[in-house]
Amino acid sequence: KAGVTQTPRYLIKTRGQQVTLSCSPISGHRSVSWYQQTPGQGLQFLFEYFSETQRNKGNFPGRFSGRQFSNSRSEMNVSTLELGDSALYLCASSRNPGLVWNEQFFGPGTRLTVL
Amino acid sequence: AQTVTQSQPEMSVQEAETVTLSCTYDTSESDYYLFWYKQPPSRQMILVIRQEAYKQQNATENRFSVNFQKAAKSFSLKISDSQLGDAAMYFCAYRSARDGGSQGNLIFGKGTKLSVKP
Repeated sequence: KAGVTQTPRYLIKTRGQQVTLSCSPISGHRSVSWYQQTPGQGLQFLFEYFSETQRNKGNFPGRFSGRQFSNSRSEMNVSTLELGDSALYLCASSRNPGLVWNEQFFGPGTRLTVL
Repeated sequence: AQTVTQSQPEMSVQEAETVTLSCTYDTSESDYYLFWYKQPPSRQMILVIRQEAYKQQNATENRFSVNFQKAAKSFSLKISDSQLGDAAMYFCAYRSARDGGSQGNLIFGKGTKLSVKP
C-alpha cells in the first residue's frame, strides 16, 4: 500500500509569490491534516479536511488556505509569501476522524524556501 | 489551550543502553490521547507509541515503553537496548478526545534530538 505522497518535495519561491502544495493520502483515507514545521516554532497545525470539508483550523493568517477534492487529495495554498513561511510542510492522512484512534500517517513533506 | 513541553532539546545514549525522554503537558480535559513520534533525518515521521489517558496501564511496543503519570501530566518515553537506528528527533504529541476524538489535530512538543553513540 502506497504511503502519503507530497509534491513537490522542494520548492523555492520569492517574497510576494504564491505557492500550492499537494498531498495524496493513503488509499482509503478520507482525512488530511496539514502541519508547518520550523526550527523556531516546531510543528504547528494548519488545518484538517474530511470529506472535502474543513473540520479544524489552526492559528494561521488567511494567506494560508486549503481544500480537499472528492478523491481525498488535498492542496494547500499560501499567498503573498513571506520569509517566515519558509518551512517543512507536512501532510498527514487518516481514515476517519470519528474513529477512536484515527492514527495519522505522515508524508515526507514539502520543503519551501522563500527568498 | 493545551500545551506540550519537551524540556530536553538534545539527548545522547550509548548503543545498547537505556534512555528516557521527558514530556509534560497541560490540559483541562480529562480524556485525551498521547503519542510519541519519531522523525529520522530526512525521513518521514512515524508513530512510535500511543497512550489513551483513561488507561492506567503504560503502553509498550517492543523496546519502547512509556511512563504515563496522569496526575502529574507527564508522559515520558523509555527506549531500551538503544540501536543506531533510533537516532532521530522524537516528538511528544497530544490529541483531544473531545467529540469522540474527532478533533484530529495533534499538538506537538518542540522535540528532542536523540543521538546514539556506537
